Amino acid sequence: QSALTQPPSVSGSPGQSVTISCTGTSSDVGSYNRVSWYQQPPGTAPKLMIYEVSNRPSGVPDRFSGSKSGNTASLTISGLQAEDEADYYCSSYTGSYTVLFGGGTRLTVL
Amino acid sequence: EMQLLESGGGLVQPGGSLRLSCAASGFTFSNYAMTWVRQAPGKGLEWVSAISGSGSSTFYADSLKGRFTISRDNSRNTLSLQINSLKADDTAIYYCAKVVVVGGRLDVWGQGTTVTVSS
Repeated sequence: QSALTQPPSVSGSPGQSVTISCTGTSSDVGSYNRVSWYQQPPGTAPKLMIYEVSNRPSGVPDRFSGSKSGNTASLTISGLQAEDEADYYCSSYTGSYTVLFGGGTRLTVL
Repeated sequence: EMQLLESGGGLVQPGGSLRLSCAASGFTFSNYAMTWVRQAPGKGLEWVSAISGSGSSTFYADSLKGRFTISRDNSRNTLSLQINSLKADDTAIYYCAKVVVVGGRLDVWGQGTTVTVSS
């Protein structure tokens, strides 16, 4: 099963907004609302930022938001800050406990 | 505070075996499914395996079936991953994570343990 498709990189200036897309198929993203987003600064473990498409865990700034349309999910970060610079991964349920991750997107804050 | 701490990684020759462990604390371990995710050097995240809270159900990535065995000891709050017939492609950081929703929310991650397969 191929990874979900994410753009390799996105960038934005402080204060701007960026959106990272995550494209799957009707067997994963399109079938389930169990899409999550993880942030991974270099050399650290992933951190949950969005779960079940659009929900934020406690402590995650409301600058982070998620959505889904059809087979594509999106993560939007508004009011970019230098600390947001990291790799971002989406994931989706594919059935029977299995999970598929995206290839990852490197966010650069200019 | 919920915490996961992996151990057991190291340098192993191709064809060898390794058993990774993940010690959990700060939550009722048996109430949650657990999962292993790996990350090869410079690459993305790859889901490896998951196990139900009771340990009665186990799941593996199709490409890894047969060489990987996930297990748990709820009396010791410990998750394990046995890897046999190791290949160079298995070189990665292995993370354990707590599953809140099956196939979805992984809300607590360990710091990872590094496995290097090389002669």
